[in-house]
Amino acid sequence: DQQVKQNSPSLSVQEGRISILNCDYTNSMFDYFLWYKKYPAEGPTFLISISSIKDKNEDGRFTVFLNKSAKHLSLHIVPSQPGDSAVYFCAAKENTGFQKLVFGTGTRLLVSP
Amino acid sequence: NAGVMQNPRHLVRRRGQEARLRCSPMKGHSHVYWYRQLPEEGLKFMVYLQKENIIDESGMPKERFSAEFPKEGPSILRIQQVVRGDSAAYFCANNLGGLSTDTQYFGPGTRLTVL
Repeated sequence: DQQVKQNSPSLSVQEGRISILNCDYTNSMFDYFLWYKKYPAEGPTFLISISSIKDKNEDGRFTVFLNKSAKHLSLHIVPSQPGDSAVYFCAAKENTGFQKLVFGTGTRLLVSP
Repeated sequence: NAGVMQNPRHLVRRRGQEARLRCSPMKGHSHVYWYRQLPEEGLKFMVYLQKENIIDESGMPKERFSAEFPKEGPSILRIQQVVRGDSAAYFCANNLGGLSTDTQYFGPGTRLTVL
């Protein structure tokens, strides 16, 4: 039962353009969402997060949008840079006392010069 | 500000051997989460520990896997009698607390290969 889904395994974008990575979830108990970036042989690096009380959060080139009614969130990177090439994971947390994260399967982003 | 530390970074074991993975949280923190990433998959929660206590082990396989976080020293994830299916990357993480309680910061991982 995949509660967090990233249906696009890969995405290719040209440098300078916008990258849009999508994530869907099924568990209505999720109240906090995070995006992580991961390079090979390294641990995930936190990028940006959003609480369920918001619909948008922005940090520099990264913006996360949350549509609770559709149970959908997206990460926008603009402008995309070659150094953004990595695997991006969407993760979610339930509004319970435990903090464990539920991850999607990831989207591999390739930004070409 | 030292981050989450894990060692070894790479571990090779033969089938039937034991694997011990270590994790030290950020300085001043006394809890860790362990996650496993199988090839081509996302990370999956295994266990959440505070010093000397297992808080949530709902993601731990029922057999061969155990975890501890003693009063002194790092957290240990122990896999007994490893099988090829245990080959994966194992990550640990901790929260910062305060306003950032919901964000987990990860260590570099231990890549376990079972021959």
